[in-house]
Amino acid sequence: DQQVKQNSPSLSVQEGRISILNCDYTNSMFDYFLWYKKYPAEGPTFLISISSIKDKNEDGRFTVFLNKSAKHLSLHIVPSQPGDSAVYFCAASFNDMRFGAGTRLTVKP
Amino acid sequence: DAGVIQSPRHEVTEMGQEVTLRCKLISGHNSLFWYRQTMMRGLELLIYFNNNVPIDDSGMPEDRFSAKMPNASFSTLKIQPSEPRDSAVYFCASSLKDGRNEKLFFGSGTQLSVL
Repeated sequence: DQQVKQNSPSLSVQEGRISILNCDYTNSMFDYFLWYKKYPAEGPTFLISISSIKDKNEDGRFTVFLNKSAKHLSLHIVPSQPGDSAVYFCAASFNDMRFGAGTRLTVKP
Repeated sequence: DAGVIQSPRHEVTEMGQEVTLRCKLISGHNSLFWYRQTMMRGLELLIYFNNNVPIDDSGMPEDRFSAKMPNASFSTLKIQPSEPRDSAVYFCASSLKDGRNEKLFFGSGTQLSVL
């Protein structure tokens, strides 16, 4: 039962352009949403989060948008850099934390 | 702070053998999560503990899997007997659960291969 879904397994963008990663969830009880970034042979690391009482949170080049009515969130990276190339996991939390399957982002120089 | 420490980093074993994965939490954290990463399902929650007590183990695939927290800073995940389909990367993560919104801190994972 995948409560958090990332339907795009991969995304490729040019350096300097915007990267948009999408995530959908099914459980309306989730009240805190996060994005994690993972490099090969390392554990996921926290990137940015948003509470369900907000619809946008910005941290430098990273912005997370939440659309509760659509049960959808997205991560925008502007401008994208080659060092952003990694797997990005969307996560949603109520009592525990559930993750999506991840999207592999490749930023080409 | 050394972060969440997992051992071993890699484990190769034969089908039927017992496998024990280990995790040391960040000092002061009181919640512990075990996840399994596969291509098909991404990061799959297996079990989580709060203050050493298992809260939800519904993600544990079968009775072959068991997890313990013998003390506040350490946890083990055991698979007995192991099967080839258990091959995956296993992560543990810890957090300080002092409210609702918490971030998890992950270890580097254990790459398990069951032949």
